[in-house]
Amino acid sequence: NAGVMQNPRHLVRRRGQEARLRCSPMKGHSHVYWYRQLPEEGLKFMVYLQKENIIDESGMPKERFSAEFPKEGPSILRIQQVVRGDSAAYFCASSPAIVTIAKNSPLHFGNGTRLTVT
Amino acid sequence: DQQVKQNSPSLSVQEGRISILNCDYTNSMFDYFLWYKKYPAEGPTFLISISSIKDKNEDGRFTVFLNKSAKHLSLHIVPSQPGDSAVYFCAMTQGAQKLVFGQGTRLTINP
Repeated sequence: NAGVMQNPRHLVRRRGQEARLRCSPMKGHSHVYWYRQLPEEGLKFMVYLQKENIIDESGMPKERFSAEFPKEGPSILRIQQVVRGDSAAYFCASSPAIVTIAKNSPLHFGNGTRLTVT
Repeated sequence: DQQVKQNSPSLSVQEGRISILNCDYTNSMFDYFLWYKKYPAEGPTFLISISSIKDKNEDGRFTVFLNKSAKHLSLHIVPSQPGDSAVYFCAMTQGAQKLVFGQGTRLTINP
């Protein structure tokens, strides 16, 4: 029973390039969440998606960042024209539909993608 | 605007003693509170949670306390073991599944 799978584990990009981070949710989970952890900080919510639909993107920077969760395949977090400040660990979590945290269904996180912008 | 604060970046405790990690919050609308544990190069792992209608929840060596009037959450680990050395994050939510995390406390258990 595989957990949340993220790839790549490490990604190095030069300033101005594009970064694509992938997240495959746990089996049976149709909701995906992306969080970012800057050095020495806690995790910050970015976006919450279900298949083919963005539910809440209130934590996404207004420019250069986008996310999708297509009907088939993994969720993708895309960062265009990366800058040094984008260097961080990006974590994905998943949950089944409908169930909320208040019903004892905590989010399960993947091991993250560590993005380094040089 | 930091809604959730963990004021101690690090904590060192002797093996076998009690570890107490603290978390303060400002948003009185939070209704569910969680603790996550994180090892280097891994994702956060859920540890224990409590809803706002309770003030204590216990699971083995781990107990979470909630003081709503003080807007304060704490995690007690007793007895502390070397494998407990990790970064601990408190997190909380208001109804939906969007978690707000504290900055983390690095716990080191000394043998």
